[in-house]
Amino acid sequence: DAGVTQSPTHLIKTRGQQVTLRCSPISGHKSVSWYQQVLGQGPQFIFQYYEKEERGRGNFPDRFSARQFPNYSSELNVNALLLGDSALYLCASSFLGLSGNEKLFFGSGTQLSVL
Amino acid sequence: GDSVTQMEGPVTLSEEAFLTINCTYTATGYPSLFWYVQYPGEGLQLLLKATKADDKGSNKGFEATYRKETTSFHLEKGSVQVSDSAVYFCALVAYGGATNKLIFGTGTLLAVQP
Repeated sequence: DAGVTQSPTHLIKTRGQQVTLRCSPISGHKSVSWYQQVLGQGPQFIFQYYEKEERGRGNFPDRFSARQFPNYSSELNVNALLLGDSALYLCASSFLGLSGNEKLFFGSGTQLSVL
Repeated sequence: GDSVTQMEGPVTLSEEAFLTINCTYTATGYPSLFWYVQYPGEGLQLLLKATKADDKGSNKGFEATYRKETTSFHLEKGSVQVSDSAVYFCALVAYGGATNKLIFGTGTLLAVQP
């Protein structure tokens, strides 16, 4: 079975541009979460979605938005890119996403570089 | 708010040495605790977890015990290998919320030399 897949793997943008990152969860998983990992830091929670509804939002500006589709795949959008948005963006999926007893599966991430 | 603090790296060891990476947490209630590993160029993989006090998580020779009295979850391995070289993250999920949002520490780079 395929794991969590993310596209693209690498992306280079310039300041002020907009970017869309994509994630396909493991088959049967209904919850998708997004994390930002700046070089040298631990991942920071951005969003969690379940059944197309936003379940949680981290401390990120409104330039960050996401959505989940009926097939449970998800997109993360970042508008008006800043240099500080350069990071590895990780997507994770789980079956329900309801508690810490449930395992989270991570994709390999999209490396975004903002110039 | 909830937080995780782990020892700064890098930690450099010779093969077959004993490993300890310290992790302490701050959280209300009784969080679930995790260790994740990130190999170069890859995403995160769950290494082990513990969901209640005194639980011991173990996997691939690594162990960590959930210590409520010291709010700690230190990672240990008796004999490291070169293939264990990676970044290790301690993390928690808060108790009682309808979410599995992870709060991570800053990570500890482990370099094992032959």
